[in-house]
Amino acid sequence: SAVISQKPSRDICQRGTSLTIQCQVDSQVTMMFWYRQQPGQSLTLIATANQGSEATYESGFVIDKFPISRPNLTFSTLTVSNMSPEDSSIYLCSAEIDQYNEQFFGPGTRLTVL
Amino acid sequence: DAKTTQPTSMDCAEGRAANLPCNHSTISGNEYVYWYRQIHSQGPQYIIHGLKNNETNEMASLIITEDRKSSTLILPHATLRDTAVYYCIVRAINNTPLVFGKGTRLSVIA
Repeated sequence: SAVISQKPSRDICQRGTSLTIQCQVDSQVTMMFWYRQQPGQSLTLIATANQGSEATYESGFVIDKFPISRPNLTFSTLTVSNMSPEDSSIYLCSAEIDQYNEQFFGPGTRLTVL
Repeated sequence: DAKTTQPTSMDCAEGRAANLPCNHSTISGNEYVYWYRQIHSQGPQYIIHGLKNNETNEMASLIITEDRKSSTLILPHATLRDTAVYYCIVRAINNTPLVFGKGTRLSVIA
């Protein structure tokens, strides 16, 4: 299987600031994705992180609010910009690995915005 | 939107088989049935997937009806550590992202 790590694991931030979450995969990756899980809810897909080009965002998510980078195959960042308390969620990185027909998930980043 | 329907919650006695149903009546011919679970405060974990044949691995068995409109995940001997939210997802292969529904919250009771 693959190991996906995320940093930070959790953070408490002030309203109006931004936080960048890092995701590193230890295997050969084909696709990378970012999800949000609001308290007590299921996972919602934010975007597909594309290597070397702009991410593909799902309906309801925009680049200005959630800029995403993927400078190489195994690394991606998600920034939560101009945060408000409504952004308090768990943010999860996910990757499709070359030799498996499944998506692996990181442990998540628990964000609290005050 | 998720293309599956699952019961909101289920209970199972420890040591008994847990049978989790899923309806996916609009599944397409090229879509697989995937099962993941999420234990509290962790990322989702892959369990099993199948196309039309029944599948078994070290974690579970997947039974898919002949018309492929529904399936059942079976945990043969549930333990307390199997308490989690179980997600049934239909997905075409070729790197399309998983789309999660609400899942079934399984509580295994001693």
